[in-house]
Amino acid sequence: GAGVSQTPSNKVTEKGKYVELRCDPISGHTALYWYRQSLGQGPEFLIYFQGTGAADDSGLPNDRFFAVRPEGSVSTLKIQRTERGDSAVYLCASSLGEGSTYEQYFGPGTRLTVT
Amino acid sequence: GQNIDQPTEMTATEGAIVQINCTYQTSGFNGLFWYQQHAGEAPTFLSYNVLDGLEEKGRFSSFLSRSKGYSYLLLKELQMKDSASYLCAVVQYILTGGGNKLTFGTGTQLKVEL
Repeated sequence: GAGVSQTPSNKVTEKGKYVELRCDPISGHTALYWYRQSLGQGPEFLIYFQGTGAADDSGLPNDRFFAVRPEGSVSTLKIQRTERGDSAVYLCASSLGEGSTYEQYFGPGTRLTVT
Repeated sequence: GQNIDQPTEMTATEGAIVQINCTYQTSGFNGLFWYQQHAGEAPTFLSYNVLDGLEEKGRFSSFLSRSKGYSYLLLKELQMKDSASYLCAVVQYILTGGGNKLTFGTGTQLKVEL
């Protein structure tokens, strides 16, 4: 079946601009996560959704970052007034449920470059 | 705070066995995942341990000792396609909403040579 998909695959934007990154989770997965991965590093947790609500947004670096999941499926990560330090690969993952044994399935990521 | 340590790089020979270690100190522990990540691709699941001991799955095995804060991934009969980054990730339970946040190490870049 279809995996997690993310669009766009690459995004180049100028410093100060606004960007939106989209994630389509696996159908039926209620849990959705956003991570950010910088070069040579492991993914870093940003935010977790259970259904429509953001249950944990403790990883968002500042208030320029915001994410929504209005219908409990597709999620959008929004970054305002982008900075060069925001350049990274943004990964989305979904899982079937709440238990720790539920593996998180990752999408291919969106590579964001802020010039 | 969270601290997860893995070697940055390892090199091994095709057909050999390699062990990738991971030590962790985290506030809260709900299991440990190993993921494989090829350059430019998404991490893919390899194994999950929540109890002490060895979990074997084909050419890959993973071991956990919770008292020592230690895990390893063992890869046997190495193939060239195993060249990738291997990520150790500790699972921490999210009290609000019941999800599980993964805290990753920096990854171990494995190079398999002829």
